[in-house]
Order: sequence, then C-alpha cells, then structure tokens
Amino acid sequence: DGGITQSPKYLFRKEGQNVTLSCEQNLNHDAMYWYRQDPGQGLRLIYYSQIVNDFQKGDIAEGYSVSREKKESFPLTVTSAQKNPTAFYLCASSIGQQGRSYGYTFGSGTRLTVV
Amino acid sequence: AQSVTQLGSHVSVSEGALVLLRCNYSSSVPPYLFWYVQYPNQGLQLLLKYTSAATLVKGINGFEAEFKKSETSFHLTKPSAHMSDAAEYFCAVMAGTASKLTFGTGTRLQVTL
Repeated sequence: DGGITQSPKYLFRKEGQNVTLSCEQNLNHDAMYWYRQDPGQGLRLIYYSQIVNDFQKGDIAEGYSVSREKKESFPLTVTSAQKNPTAFYLCASSIGQQGRSYGYTFGSGTRLTVV
Repeated sequence: AQSVTQLGSHVSVSEGALVLLRCNYSSSVPPYLFWYVQYPNQGLQLLLKYTSAATLVKGINGFEAEFKKSETSFHLTKPSAHMSDAAEYFCAVMAGTASKLTFGTGTRLQVTL
C-alpha cells in the first residue's frame, strides 16, 4: 500500500547535536511538507517542497534545514540553532498544485526530545 | 492570507450525544476546507473535505460538515458520539494559488460514559 513513512518514531537529541528525521513516500506525490506540532498550537509549517531540488521556508524555518534530492524523500535536519526542538514532527505529501482539493497525506510522526 | 479559528480547545460530550466542533475560516478567495482527526502519537487522518461541490459534506465514521459562506463556517458534526471518537480534531484551509494547508489550533474531543 502507498503511504508515507517517517523514522524514527522516537528520537532523543543531546544539546548541541544535529539530528535528521526521515520522510519517505511512495505515493508519487510532487509536494512534501514538514510540520511541527506543540500542545495547544496546532501544526506549524517548517519547510515545503513543490518539486525535486526546490524547497521554500515555511512559518518557522529557523534552526531547521531540508533537502529534496529525490521525489520520494524529504529529510528534515534539526540543527543546534533550534533552541527548543522538543516537539512532534509530522511529514505530509500532496499531489501538488493540480490536486489542491485532495488535501494532504500524513506520516505517523516523529517525537523528538532533547535530553 | 488564509486562516482558521477553532472555537473551544476542549469539548466533552456524553456517549450518544451530538458532537459539534466549530471552525470559522478567513479567506479572500473561495477556499478548500478540510477536517482531520489525530489519535495520540499518530499522524493526521482526513475526515472530510469541502471542494466547492455540495455544501453538506459527508465523511468517514459518521461525521459531516456544512460549508456556510455567509457565516464563513465549516462546523463538524456527528449525531451520536462513540467512545472511539475521542481524539483531537483539526480544521484546515487551502485557498488561492498556493497548495499550502493552514491549520487551526485543534479541538480535543472527550467522550464520557
């Protein structure tokens, strides 16, 4: 079955470390997204990519970086510059501009904790 | 700019009672509207969507929502709550040329016996 796979499910980071969250999709979707979820704040957009080798900052991009070298993959790196990285991270994909009415398909999330 | 406001961060209903979760949107152009459900430590699952066809939209698990342009609302309802409906619900809007979804802050639904 097609879907989005996020790994790992739980991740622990030490102060000053960079960590990378994986997101892979086999839906043949053009667009991919990273959201951060904190209690009471809903989902906030970190980065998104409409096409391979291109991506744009979302509302809270500071302290994060991404790459889109393959259509199927959109990894997110949480850098040491992100001062409060403890959160639940969700990856999503969509058909893209032509399929705007379809909405997004979400992965099952990665919970990142700073220790 | 597009936005959604979900009224009530927590809603509690008795099993068998009506569920009503409120969502108001803001958009300068005709929007697409979505409701998603999230169970603990999981991703979001699409419940239903409004895409400018019928204003009353039926979704999975017995949920439905009505698009009311005059009230800029897209409230989610279910006639009879089940214990399994306990989860967090998010309303989202997509409008204009962008394909970005903007989410509300969520409403946590509690179902009691």
